[in-house]
Amino acid sequence: DAGVTQSPTHLIKTRGQHVTLRCSPISGHKSVSWYQQVLGQGPQFIFQYYEKEERGRGNFPDRFSARQFPNYSSELNVNALLLGDSALYLCASSSPTTGVGTDTQYFGPGTRLTVL
Amino acid sequence: AQKVTQAQTEISVVEKEDVTLDCVYETRDTTYYLFWYKQPPSGELVFLIRRNSFDEQNEISGRYSWNFQKSTSSFNFTITASQVVDSAVYFCALRDNNNDMRFGAGTRLTVKP
Repeated sequence: DAGVTQSPTHLIKTRGQHVTLRCSPISGHKSVSWYQQVLGQGPQFIFQYYEKEERGRGNFPDRFSARQFPNYSSELNVNALLLGDSALYLCASSSPTTGVGTDTQYFGPGTRLTVL
Repeated sequence: AQKVTQAQTEISVVEKEDVTLDCVYETRDTTYYLFWYKQPPSGELVFLIRRNSFDEQNEISGRYSWNFQKSTSSFNFTITASQVVDSAVYFCALRDNNNDMRFGAGTRLTVKP
């Protein structure tokens, strides 16, 4: 079975631009989470979506937004890019069986965003 | 507050040595989940184990073993007879009722031949 897929693999943008990152979960998984991983640090939680509803939000500015589609794929949008947004953006999918928060998350390969 | 500490930034061992990666966590919740992930140079996080707060049994999976001790809020990971392919960054993570997953800063393990 295919794992979590993300596109694009790499992306270069300039300050002030907008970016959209895409994620397709493992087949059968209904929850998608997004993380930002700055070089040399652990991933930081941005959002979790389950059944197309936001179920969790990390400490990120409103420039970051996301949505989940009926097929459970997801997009992460970042507006007004800053140099500090340069990072690896990881998507994880999961299949909560006993409630959101109890699930094991499986990660995709990430999108490496460089902001110049 | 939710917090995960991996005090070892980098560890270097020679192949076949045993190595233990430390993880200490903080949470106010009584129900929580702990995880270990491996991140090889390719960048993709690979799930290794999940443990809930009510299950303190240690676990062994091949050369990997985990020691969960609630009394010291630790969830340590041991690799026995390390191999070059074990070289990666290893992350410990905590998920409690806040519903977000908090990762530690990671430990970079280098196994030399």
